[in-house]
Amino acid sequence: GENVEQHPSTLSVQEGDSAVIKCTYSDSASNYFPWYKQELGKRPQLIIDIRSNVGEKKDQRIAVTLNKTAKHFSLHITETQPEDSAVYFCAASKGSGAGSYQLTFGKGTKLSVIP
Amino acid sequence: SAVISQKPSRDICQRGTSLTIQCQVDSQVTMMFWYRQQPGQSLTLIATANQGSEATYESGFVIDKFPISRPNLTFSTLTVSNMSPEDSSIYLCSVPDTDYGYTFGSGTRLTVV
Repeated sequence: GENVEQHPSTLSVQEGDSAVIKCTYSDSASNYFPWYKQELGKRPQLIIDIRSNVGEKKDQRIAVTLNKTAKHFSLHITETQPEDSAVYFCAASKGSGAGSYQLTFGKGTKLSVIP
Repeated sequence: SAVISQKPSRDICQRGTSLTIQCQVDSQVTMMFWYRQQPGQSLTLIATANQGSEATYESGFVIDKFPISRPNLTFSTLTVSNMSPEDSSIYLCSVPDTDYGYTFGSGTRLTVV
């Protein structure tokens, strides 16, 4: 089955700096890679996702890059703010919709943004 | 996107008892996924629930411990049976949403004493 590795497990940055979280996956059939933000006591919330036919996607301060050959993808957060502090999970799936597959999650990264 | 109502939001249960968690979706979905999130850990898939067929369980999870019902395309239940303190976790249901997205229920925080 799919295996997703995520690094680092914890990350502290100064407010305004950038944060990068990296994930690798094992199943070359995976084609959907979401990133979730989970605040304490809350459900995971999708913040950005990327499909395997795209190399990069950006949404304001958040970007995700995908290298299919190397089977790794990364989350980039620029101009970090204290409210970015949370646990971030990467995940991989062979797709959803009509042919649904489950998500396999990385172990998570606890991001702390220091004011 | 789909909206999921998950109940209960939290419960404290005695060891040896069972708890049934419900998820109601506001639209019809073929598959529903049940995850467990142990304290400070990531999400681990328990099983995939299809309407009209037996759920498919992941390695380490068995039907006797986590029976699942899926009576229609908008509803599912997960029961945590014969509970022990090791079952204390957050349990979440999830459904496929857009072509590639997934939506999660709000979670059930279970504490077994």
